[in-house]
Amino acid sequence: NAGVTQTPKFRVLKTGQSMTLLCAQDMNHEYMYWYRQDPGMGLRLIHYSVGEGTTAKGEVPDGYNVSRLKKQNFLLGLESAAPSQTSVYFCASRRQVFGNEKLFFGSGTQLSVL
Amino acid sequence: RKEVEQDPGPFNVPEGATVAFNCTYSNSASQSFFWYRQDCRKEPKLLMSVYSSGNEDGRFTAQLNRASQYISLLIRDSKLSDSATYLCVVGNSGGSNYKLTFGKGTLLTVNP
Repeated sequence: NAGVTQTPKFRVLKTGQSMTLLCAQDMNHEYMYWYRQDPGMGLRLIHYSVGEGTTAKGEVPDGYNVSRLKKQNFLLGLESAAPSQTSVYFCASRRQVFGNEKLFFGSGTQLSVL
Repeated sequence: RKEVEQDPGPFNVPEGATVAFNCTYSNSASQSFFWYRQDCRKEPKLLMSVYSSGNEDGRFTAQLNRASQYISLLIRDSKLSDSATYLCVVGNSGGSNYKLTFGKGTLLTVNP
């Protein structure tokens, strides 16, 4: 049972390049999330999904797109990377049951945009 | 008022000390509350959920005051291994959506 797996762990992009971050979970969770974490800013929600085929905007969605074609995968895309997108990205998942259900996080992706 | 606000820290304490973290939230309709722990360059991990009646897990005690919209975490007999950033997290439900909002975190360093 791998939990939540993020790939890649590190990436350096040039401004204007595109890339996709992959998040995979093997716990059959309904909810999946993409966060970014910047110094002094805490974790901020980019996009999230409440089930296969659904996506919704979070707090800071601009410049990102997502897809949830399969329940176990949640992809985060950067169409044209900008230096402001340099950050650590975390994927997370949880069960659908409301209440004190914990988030399971991936180990993070360190992205630098030059 | 920010959605979730924590003590800015950092906190530097000696081993064996008792340390308390505070957190306030702005949405009075918030329904679930958590403390997460994040080690340097690692992912956040759930430390404990916070219940209205308060709850304790070993050296850790969490309290919730809904009237004051305030959450606390108390660490007794602190260990070197407690050094980490502690994140206050508040959950709100709106229809089919469930939003978790994270505080910026409070850095704790326990010194020998």
